[in-house]
Amino acid sequence: NAGVTQTPKFQVLKTGQSMTLQCAQDMNHEYMSWYRQDPGMGLRLIHYSVGAGITDQGEVPNGYNVSRSTTEDFPLRLLSAAPSQTSVYFCASSVKATSYNSPLHFGNGTRLTVT
Amino acid sequence: TQLLEQSPQFLSIQEGENLTVYCNSSSVFSSLQWYRQEPGEGPVLLVTVVTGGEVKKLKRLTFQFGDARKDSSLHITAAQTGDTGLYLCAGARNYGQNFVFGPGTRLSVLP
Repeated sequence: NAGVTQTPKFQVLKTGQSMTLQCAQDMNHEYMSWYRQDPGMGLRLIHYSVGAGITDQGEVPNGYNVSRSTTEDFPLRLLSAAPSQTSVYFCASSVKATSYNSPLHFGNGTRLTVT
Repeated sequence: TQLLEQSPQFLSIQEGENLTVYCNSSSVFSSLQWYRQEPGEGPVLLVTVVTGGEVKKLKRLTFQFGDARKDSSLHITAAQTGDTGLYLCAGARNYGQNFVFGPGTRLSVLP
């Protein structure tokens, strides 16, 4: 059982470049989300989706786009990378949207460096 | 400012010692979760608490949700090197809202 799979594991971009971070889950979860993790800041929500075709902004959405064309996939697009987007990015899913008895299942992260 | 504060930020102890880490807020939460994250991996859920005053035990780990549902604590008895990691608390202010994460407590248990 793969759970939540993120690719790539590491990525280096130059300022202004664009790229897509991939996230796939095989648990048929309704809810998917993207977080970034920075030292001393915890995990901050970028975008989330409560089902296929539905996305919404989180706490720090600027500079990122998402789409949810299928239940399984939730890619995160960086439109024009900036050094401030250097971070570790985590994708997470859960059975139901923010149900208190539905834990978040995280992928192993993508470490992104923007130079 | 963080909605959830965690203390201490760093903690280094010897194997066999007891410890408590804290998660505090000025806001009331409908539920609160604790996660542990190891280097190079994503966080993994340890427990969810939903009732004020609730105490849950997971082997050597004891979790408590404050009576007012604004704070929580995690107590580890007889820490082991395998307990080393980043401990994160996450709270949902209302049912149906996204979870907000604290900055974490980084625990090192030395042999």
